[in-house]
Amino acid sequence: NAGVTQTPKFQVLKTGQSMTLQCAQDMNHEYMSWYRQDPGMGLRLIHYSVGAGITDQGEVPNGYNVSRSTTEDFPLRLLSAAPSQTSVYFCASSYRGSGVDQPQHFGDGTRLSIL
Amino acid sequence: QKEVEQDPGPLSVPEGAIVSLNCTYSNSAFQYFMWYRQYSRKGPELLMYTYSSGNKEDGRFTAQVDKSSKYISLFIRDSQPSDSATYLCAVFYMDTGRRALTFGSGTRLQVQP
Repeated sequence: NAGVTQTPKFQVLKTGQSMTLQCAQDMNHEYMSWYRQDPGMGLRLIHYSVGAGITDQGEVPNGYNVSRSTTEDFPLRLLSAAPSQTSVYFCASSYRGSGVDQPQHFGDGTRLSIL
Repeated sequence: QKEVEQDPGPLSVPEGAIVSLNCTYSNSAFQYFMWYRQYSRKGPELLMYTYSSGNKEDGRFTAQVDKSSKYISLFIRDSQPSDSATYLCAVFYMDTGRRALTFGSGTRLQVQP
């Protein structure tokens, strides 16, 4: 049981480049989300999905796209990388339902640097 | 004003000490209160959650919520070097069609052997 798997673990990009951060979970969780973590800012929600085919914006969605074609996968796309997107990105998943489904399972993060 | 405020630390204590970690929040609509632990270069993992005022114990950990003052705390008894990590508080709200989970910025704890 792998839980939440994020790839790659590290990435360096040049300004203007695009890339996709991969996230996969094997727990059959309906709810998946992407966060970015910056010093002094805590975890901020970028996008989330409550099931295949359904996505919505979080607190800081600009510059990012998501799609959810399967229950297992929830990739995050950077359209045109900017230095302000240098951060650690975490993917999380949980069961949908009552508020107690919030015990989210996090991946180990992707550390992204934009030069 | 941030919805959740948390002292970033770092907090350094000797092994065996009682640790107190604290957060304040601004929105009285929040329903659930959580503490996550995050080791270096790892994702956060849920330690405890509660939805009512008062104390909740789990082993060496006690979560305390005071909704009247919008204050949440985590106490760690008999702290161990393995407790060295960043601790994130989080508050959660859910209503029809909307949910919001907001994290504090985290407090870094170092337990010295």
